Amino acid sequence: GAGVSQSPSNKVTEKGKDVELRCDPISGHTALYWYRQSLGQGLEFLIYFQGNSAPDKSGLPSDRFSAERTGGSVSTLTIQRTQQEDSAVYLCASSLNRGGMNTEAFFGQGTRLTVV
Amino acid sequence: DAKTTQPTSMDCAEGRAANLPCNHSTISGNEYVYWYRQIHSQGPQYIIHGLKNNETNEMASLIITEDRKSSTLILPHATLRDTAVYYCIVRGIFNDYKLSFGAGTTVTVRA
Repeated sequence: GAGVSQSPSNKVTEKGKDVELRCDPISGHTALYWYRQSLGQGLEFLIYFQGNSAPDKSGLPSDRFSAERTGGSVSTLTIQRTQQEDSAVYLCASSLNRGGMNTEAFFGQGTRLTVV
Repeated sequence: DAKTTQPTSMDCAEGRAANLPCNHSTISGNEYVYWYRQIHSQGPQYIIHGLKNNETNEMASLIITEDRKSSTLILPHATLRDTAVYYCIVRGIFNDYKLSFGAGTTVTVRA
C-alpha cells in the first residue's frame, strides 16, 4: 500500500512499562508528524520532523515521551514508564515539502494504546 | 485562539448535498483553508484545500468567499459513509506545518 503505515494497530501495556510506536510514512515524504487523540477528544499535536530533524517538539507532554526518525523515513515514538493517562490513539501523518511549503498531510490509522 | 468556527453538528439526508460552513474571519493572505474528516475509529482523511479560488475534486467542492473570511465544503451527494467529524483548518503557506484540529462539525447522514 502507498499510505502511511503504523504499527502495532493496538497495544496494551502495563503501567510503568516502556512502549515503542512505529510509523512508516509515504515514500518520499520528508515531513512527518505525530498527534494523539484521547477518547472523545480532539487531535493534539506532539512533534514535527523535517527529514531526520525535529524542529518542533513542543507538543510532547513530558520527558517520558521521545521520538526519532532515521534515514528520513521511519519514525519511532517512545513512551517510557507509561501512565494510564497516556492511553490514547497515536496518529502519524506525512507530507511532501516543496520549496518550503508543506503539502497536504496524509494520516495513518493510528495505534490505540491502552495502559492498564 | 481558534482560527476557525464551525457548527457543532448537522444532519443531512442521504443523496442530498451537504453544505458545511466554516468561518475564518482572521485568515491572512498567506493561509490556506484545509478540510479533513474523521470517520469513527479511523485516522483523519484529507478532503480538499484552497487559497482563494473555488476548488473541486472527486470528493468535494470548496467554495471560498471573495473576502476569504468564510468557506463552505460541499459534499454533492451525501452517503451514509460520509457520516464523520469534519474539520476546517487554516494553515500557512510557508513554514507552517501544524494542522490545528478544533472540535469540527459532526455530520450525520440519515437514510
